[in-house]
Amino acid sequence: DAKTTQPPSMDCAEGRAANLPCNHSTISGNEYVYWYRQIHSQGPQYIIHGLKNNETNEMASLIITEDRKSSTLILPHATLRDTAVYYCIVGGRGGGADGLTFGKGTHLIIQP
Amino acid sequence: DTAVSQTPKYLVTQMGNDKSIKCEQNLGHDTMYWYKQDSKKFLKIMFSYNNKELIINETVPNRFSPKSPDKAHLNLHINSLELGDSAVYFCASSQGSRGSGNTIYFGEGSWLTVV
Repeated sequence: DAKTTQPPSMDCAEGRAANLPCNHSTISGNEYVYWYRQIHSQGPQYIIHGLKNNETNEMASLIITEDRKSSTLILPHATLRDTAVYYCIVGGRGGGADGLTFGKGTHLIIQP
Repeated sequence: DTAVSQTPKYLVTQMGNDKSIKCEQNLGHDTMYWYKQDSKKFLKIMFSYNNKELIINETVPNRFSPKSPDKAHLNLHINSLELGDSAVYFCASSQGSRGSGNTIYFGEGSWLTVV
């Protein structure tokens, strides 16, 4: 079972920052926080991941609270192409054959 | 170049048939996976495999079996197909190492319809 809680859906205006929250209160000390998204009819796409520190890449920023019990994915300037289901996942310490367990995600709809 | 590729993209077949979906990754990863996404859009892991271990989700029927001729390929064989097997199947791969996380890269999916 997924170990994260996300709102089922969110709207955001095009050009604004989209802030997607995720609760993971049972995360263990060596588990990472991953974000993926799935655009309709495509395979899931990796966005970003982090352990303790905030992370930023060309797609998004990841803000992890100090107690690591929640995080926020930030898309700084949302476009219509960012409409997708966004999954927050914890796990995957790395190595071996660890997989990632997907929950229901947040359906983000970018409004023109 | 496509990192994780799977074929066929679409497959329509009759109940009782045996079919295979092929998957290849050119990322040099050691671990490959098969995921299933059903009509309700839930994405569930079926298998994860590297040269050291095969992890099988216990809910997967034994009609499903992964076959890996080499570390760049993980094919999915399905015997005696049933209507409930209709879904999108995603192949994926990763090269996680301890301490750096386990980023997984997915293929574009294979749409299986059993009639």
